[in-house]
Amino acid sequence: AQTVTQSQPEMSVQEAETVTLSCTYDTSENNYYLFWYKQPPSRQMILVIRQEAYKQQNATENRFSVNFQKAAKSFSLKISDSQLGDTAMYFCASLTSGTYKYIFGTGTRLKVLA
Amino acid sequence: NAGVMQNPRHLVRRRGQEARLRCSPMKGHSHVYWYRQLPEEGLKFMVYLQKENIIDESGMPKERFSAEFPKEGPSILRIQQVVRGDSAAYFCASSPGTDEQFFGPGTRLTVL
Repeated sequence: AQTVTQSQPEMSVQEAETVTLSCTYDTSENNYYLFWYKQPPSRQMILVIRQEAYKQQNATENRFSVNFQKAAKSFSLKISDSQLGDTAMYFCASLTSGTYKYIFGTGTRLKVLA
Repeated sequence: NAGVMQNPRHLVRRRGQEARLRCSPMKGHSHVYWYRQLPEEGLKFMVYLQKENIIDESGMPKERFSAEFPKEGPSILRIQQVVRGDSAAYFCASSPGTDEQFFGPGTRLTVL
């Protein structure tokens, strides 16, 4: 069965600093997507960044970037220049191409400190 | 193009009552998915529907839970005779086909 593991239940970072959230996954598929979602206190699921497994280049979205290591099945999220508004739960998720069941990790609670 | 809409955003029910959660997918999306998020956990797949058809309900409890997506109107997740353990956030997502889904804001159900 596919699994997604986030081994850091909580993390904190000073405003303007950089933080990296870890995610590992297990799949036997070749074609899949990986996602990071942000869930603020409002509980809305906000897509932060996505990565297609067939792409070697790491995805970036402004201050957010990923380190995708396909052989190691690792998909970490780096947040640069952290802002107070980045405080939220962050979920890593995987989706096998052509299927529909997202597999979510248990989340990392990030607190950005002023 | 409005996003996925869910209502109500918050729902409080007493044990034994029924809960009805509604989801309107994005325009042009005919695939709807329901996920449940228990406290301090990630989202877990419950059911996948296309118009008037349940495609996969393998993640939905066999008793008390049902889902529909009629030809007209929103998708409904119905929980009969709610218990405290049903307290959770319920998310709906929609897609035009398989692959990436777009999530709604969720309904937080509290069972007293």
